[in-house]
Amino acid sequence: SSELTQDPAVSVALGQTVRITCQGDSLRSYYASWYQQKPGQAPVLVIYGKNNRPSGIPDRFSGSSSGNTASLTITGAQAEDEADYYCNSRDSSGNHLDWVFGGGTKLTVL
Amino acid sequence: QVQLVQSGAEVKKPGASVKVSCKASGYTFTSYDINWVRQATGQGLEWMGWMNPNSGNTGYAQKFQGRVTMTRNTSISTAYMELSSLRSEDTAVYYCASGEFDYWGQGTLVTVSS
Repeated sequence: SSELTQDPAVSVALGQTVRITCQGDSLRSYYASWYQQKPGQAPVLVIYGKNNRPSGIPDRFSGSSSGNTASLTITGAQAEDEADYYCNSRDSSGNHLDWVFGGGTKLTVL
Repeated sequence: QVQLVQSGAEVKKPGASVKVSCKASGYTFTSYDINWVRQATGQGLEWMGWMNPNSGNTGYAQKFQGRVTMTRNTSISTAYMELSSLRSEDTAVYYCASGEFDYWGQGTLVTVSS
């Protein structure tokens, strides 16, 4: 199966912009989705498709993709954005029906 | 509003099986796949498999094939995930998620301990 690689930890100053990346061969064929998870809570979808936000997700969250790398950008990070972020996509290495998650990035807002 | 409500925490002995339920509401249950994902304490998300509630078709991650079974009862809009031959490494929070992970259940803690 494919793998998606994320940096384990990233930090950002309050109000600044941060980019969280996700790398993997599957991303050449499929868009990544992004999930925010706060301690003790279930993940929440924040970005899907080319750059789509579910209802209720602030517009400071955006997504992009190039080659084998997908990125989640938070423009003007807020204290409440401190969380773990996971990417996922379809797994292109098999029957394309499976899914794969990245290892997650812990975002600290300073 | 869409809700996925999972069954409560379980404690199982090694070698036993566990069956977790996921009751959907707020949408047509048979319209979207149900995926199952687990997360060990302090670890990342691990995809386990999917089920099409309309057809009953399933697909399991290679790691879990032979040990996991995903089923559903459409009359009560509920999906089930059964994991057998439990070992301590299966201790985790198990989540169901609808469609392409648009909505998630609250999670079910499964503890495997002798």
